[in-house]
Amino acid sequence: QKEVEQNSGPLSVPEGAIASLNCTYSDRGSQSFFWYRQYSGKSPELIMFIYSNGDKEDGRFTAQLNKASQYVSLLIRDSQPSDSATYLCAVNREGKTGGSYIPTFGRGTSLIVHP
Amino acid sequence: NAGVTQTPKFQVLKTGQSMTLQCAQDMNHNSMYWYRQDPGMGLRLIYYSASEGTTDKGEVPNGYNVSRLNKREFSLRLESAAPSQTSVYFCASSDLGLAATRETQYFGPGTRLLVL
Repeated sequence: QKEVEQNSGPLSVPEGAIASLNCTYSDRGSQSFFWYRQYSGKSPELIMFIYSNGDKEDGRFTAQLNKASQYVSLLIRDSQPSDSATYLCAVNREGKTGGSYIPTFGRGTSLIVHP
Repeated sequence: NAGVTQTPKFQVLKTGQSMTLQCAQDMNHNSMYWYRQDPGMGLRLIYYSASEGTTDKGEVPNGYNVSRLNKREFSLRLESAAPSQTSVYFCASSDLGLAATRETQYFGPGTRLLVL
């Protein structure tokens, strides 16, 4: 079992709807959780991070974290065609070298927002 | 600031050939990483360097070597390329701040490698 699991999709939503992307992780000691967006042929870019249980909102994006259930999600409100991309969930774990923290990525969920 | 730069952008190799992928960052970051990305597999960590002078293996290190040349540069070497190493390679960097668990990564544009 991969340490970070995501549904590969594609998730298809109409323009203006809420897109809900989910991620589960296996390491209960994980402290930091990230969502990256990756357009086709481009490199990943960070869009949200969350460290505490609950919700964190930034514009149209809301990250939700439930450490007891080992679950992190990303909600995109008022979805736009420009949101069509692959969304990667990443979870930080402690690395071998002291003070280093290594992200483990899920396989990503493809989101398609259709007009 | 250029951020994270990678060279080359695209490379074709024959099986058994060697090459070095170059990565440099101008953000004064301590940590640097090499990932490979294959269709349906997400990003898999090959090697990382938590700070200048240190390197550690990641999830898929076999067939690769790395050098942290200085704080800015982190290179990835394929000594004898194999078709299974056909992939997109991303370099990333991050800063170890006071809340070290919270560091985020900045990615380079990627190198597309085809091994025939």
